[in-house]
Amino acid sequence: SQQGEEDPQALSIQEGENATMNCSYKTSINNLQWYRQNSGRGLVHLILIRSNEREKHSGRLRVTLDTSKKSSSLLITASRAADTASYFCATGNSGGGADGLTFGKGTHLIIQP
Amino acid sequence: GAGVSQTPSNKVTEKGKYVELRCDPISGHTALYWYRQSLGQGPEFLIYFQGTGAADDSGLPNDRFFAVRPEGSVSTLKIQRTERGDSAVYLCASSLALTGDSYNEQFFGPGTRLTVL
Repeated sequence: SQQGEEDPQALSIQEGENATMNCSYKTSINNLQWYRQNSGRGLVHLILIRSNEREKHSGRLRVTLDTSKKSSSLLITASRAADTASYFCATGNSGGGADGLTFGKGTHLIIQP
Repeated sequence: GAGVSQTPSNKVTEKGKYVELRCDPISGHTALYWYRQSLGQGPEFLIYFQGTGAADDSGLPNDRFFAVRPEGSVSTLKIQRTERGDSAVYLCASSLALTGDSYNEQFFGPGTRLTVL
């Protein structure tokens, strides 16, 4: 079963613009993670935000978490063609340090040159 | 260093056959995970190993699926009596297994694309 639901399912923007993707989840979490998947590099971990955090930054990435609404957003600023990929949110199954993940269906992002 | 490797990269089999998919984790990673991903979907958790033992196998869809990790390193996912619905990309990941509140990033392999005809 899928825990998270990302929206939009697909997003196409011009290079240099910002891209925002949203994720909603169903159960209580200890942390939420975002992953990127493209044909060249497979599935790669981008950023993790803990349940007691509201916002986190990493380079051009900004993640927010609203546990009251069970939602998260991923913002990519100043997009580049190389950002074209599918983006997934994921939550841990039990909250331990090593934990199976439940992924959403993903947002397919296309950056137009 | 070397990442997670999976073999074969592609596997085509006929309905009813038995298949084995192999995963070589990153050296020193004690946690190993199997997921499967159908077209247009996110990865779906199957099973997770801590060392040689399955710590969570709640994602295995039925008893046709089985995984082993006899020496705590390489793992094999085994599917008996394959069905067309088993067609998917099977992903393996590994991580350190630090205890407590530390999060252990999962590093994914390139996957094995299984096609059941």
